[in-house]
Amino acid sequence: EIVLTQSPATLSLSPGERATLSCRASQSVSNYLAWYQQKPGQAPRLLIYDASNRATGIPARFSGSGSGTDFTLTISSLEPEDFAVYYCQQRTSWPPMYTFGQGTKLESK
Amino acid sequence: EVQLVESGGGWVQPGGSLRLSCAASGFTFSSYEMNWVRQAPGKGLEWVSYITSSGKTIYNADSVKGRFTISRDNAKNSLYLQMNSLRAEDTAVYYCARGDCSVGCYVSSWGQGTLVTVSS
Repeated sequence: EIVLTQSPATLSLSPGERATLSCRASQSVSNYLAWYQQKPGQAPRLLIYDASNRATGIPARFSGSGSGTDFTLTISSLEPEDFAVYYCQQRTSWPPMYTFGQGTKLESK
Repeated sequence: EVQLVESGGGWVQPGGSLRLSCAASGFTFSSYEMNWVRQAPGKGLEWVSYITSSGKTIYNADSVKGRFTISRDNAKNSLYLQMNSLRAEDTAVYYCARGDCSVGCYVSSWGQGTLVTVSS
């Protein structure tokens, strides 16, 4: 079973700053990695798929990079609405199991 | 607009059963694989169950194998999760989740979730 480890657990930054979130896989997942944003009381929202492709309607300040075992979600300049919890995710071909990282909480300093 | 609306959550005693439903609209339901994903209070996301677009193949997380059964009715644009032998650790918000695959596979759309509470 592939394990995804996110770091840091909590990231404290101010609006306008750059945020860098990491996700490490226990074995190579090629570029089969997605990122989600979740705000309190809401369902998650897809941000990035296939490691670097922005989902529909996602602002250009969100970008994803990486392949193999190491991945990064970057928010170039934080807006107030970006403070939330972020999850990475991968899915194996068979069995079709989705695995999520434990999440990074991005909080306002 | 893609919409996924869950229903059927509530309070149940340990050992009891519950059936969740998800009504889909705004897309061709029969063309997509579907999933249930849950989130315990204050915790992260946990994938629970998967079903192919035709309904012929299903797969469950080890934590619910033998207790939960996913199914779908493409004529009714509906997804279901039958939950038996419920335990306290099954307490969570359950999300209906549409799967999409390009190179990798991911959840492109989520419902708003339905809360299941297992407690005596």
